[in-house]
Amino acid sequence: SQQGEEDPQALSIQEGENATMNCSYKTSINNLQWYRQNSGRGLVHLILIRSNEREKHSGRLRVTLDTSKKSSSLLITASRAADTASYFCATALRGSNYKLTFGKGTLLTVNP
Amino acid sequence: GAGVSQSPSNKVTEKGKDVELRCDPISGHTALYWYRQRLGQGLEFLIYFQGNSAPDKSGLPSDRFSAERTGESVSTLTIQRTQQEDSAVYLCASSLAGTAQETQYFGPGTRLLVL
Repeated sequence: SQQGEEDPQALSIQEGENATMNCSYKTSINNLQWYRQNSGRGLVHLILIRSNEREKHSGRLRVTLDTSKKSSSLLITASRAADTASYFCATALRGSNYKLTFGKGTLLTVNP
Repeated sequence: GAGVSQSPSNKVTEKGKDVELRCDPISGHTALYWYRQRLGQGLEFLIYFQGNSAPDKSGLPSDRFSAERTGESVSTLTIQRTQQEDSAVYLCASSLAGTAQETQYFGPGTRLLVL
């Protein structure tokens, strides 16, 4: 079964609104990363949050991590049509030096 | 090269044929990863290279799949006797040293369709 599960599977919003995507995982992690994928092609790294961090910001992105609930959220503020993409969380399991385990992703559609 | 490149971009093949997918990582990156992504799904880990060695092949789905890396650079993923369930996008990524704290840089993928 998937280590990371994103929720919702799909999200449709209007330009200017905020988009929130959630990720839940099952086992202890070293860090959690969010990636973006356009049109089913290569992924682009957005942000990494370590297990001892609770919140991180990058531009219009805000990521939170709650290790007690084994969950993370990605907030995109003031969304733009260009933010339309699939967003994946990836977890680096504690004890794993290199391996990332990806969820199935959230498809975000931002309507102009 | 500025990023990870993969070739071909698209590959259509007949069931039973062999295919080779190529990945050129970012120069100087010692770690290289192959993933498979079926339609509407997340990424499945296939194999990890550290230099030219593959310490983790645990994700290869069957013995029809193999991969090699040479010169701590180019990697080739080979699928023998392709089956329709092999249809997917195959993504390659590289990272500097192969630690979980690093960003993985992805190529654009090869979309494989087995008829």
